[in-house]
Amino acid sequence: DGGITQSPKYLFRKEGQNVTLSCEQNLNHDAMYWYRQDPGQGLRLIYYSQIVNDFQKGDIAEGYSVSREKKESFPLTVTSAQKNPTAFYLCASSIGQDQPQHFGDGTRLSIL
Amino acid sequence: AQSVTQPDIHITVSEGASLELRCNYSYGATPYLFWYVQSPGQGLQLLLKYFSGDTLVQGIKGFEAEFKRSQSSFNLRKPSVHWSDAAEYFCAVGFSGYSTLTFGKGTMLLVSP
Repeated sequence: DGGITQSPKYLFRKEGQNVTLSCEQNLNHDAMYWYRQDPGQGLRLIYYSQIVNDFQKGDIAEGYSVSREKKESFPLTVTSAQKNPTAFYLCASSIGQDQPQHFGDGTRLSIL
Repeated sequence: AQSVTQPDIHITVSEGASLELRCNYSYGATPYLFWYVQSPGQGLQLLLKYFSGDTLVQGIKGFEAEFKRSQSSFNLRKPSVHWSDAAEYFCAVGFSGYSTLTFGKGTMLLVSP
């Protein structure tokens, strides 16, 4: 079955450490997205990519970085510059803009 | 900038009772509208979508939603709630020419016996 795979499901970060969250899709979707979810805040867009080798900042990009070297992969790096990284991170993909987004099961990041 | 409002943070409904979750958006253009559901610790699952045409749309799990342009609303309804419907529900809006969706902050549905 086609879908979006996020790994790992749980991740712990030490102070000053960069960590990378994986997102892979086999839906042949062009667009991919990263969201951060905090209780009571809904989903906030971190980065998105509409095509390979191109991506744009979302509403809360500071302290995060991404790459889009392959159509099926869109990894998110949480850098040490992100001072409050504890959250639930969701990856999504869609055929194109304004189309329904399909979501992975998320990665929960915590600080040690 | 577009925004989405879900006025109810929590709603409690008795099992078997009807449900309506509210969603309002701001912006002047014709929207694309979505409802998603999220179980704890999981991703979001698409319930239904509206792009054009009939303003009453049917979705999965017995849900429906009605687009009312005059009220800038897209409320989600279900005639009889089951205990398994307890989850968080998100409304999302997109507009032609914009690359991303805007999500509401969610409504947590609790189902009482």
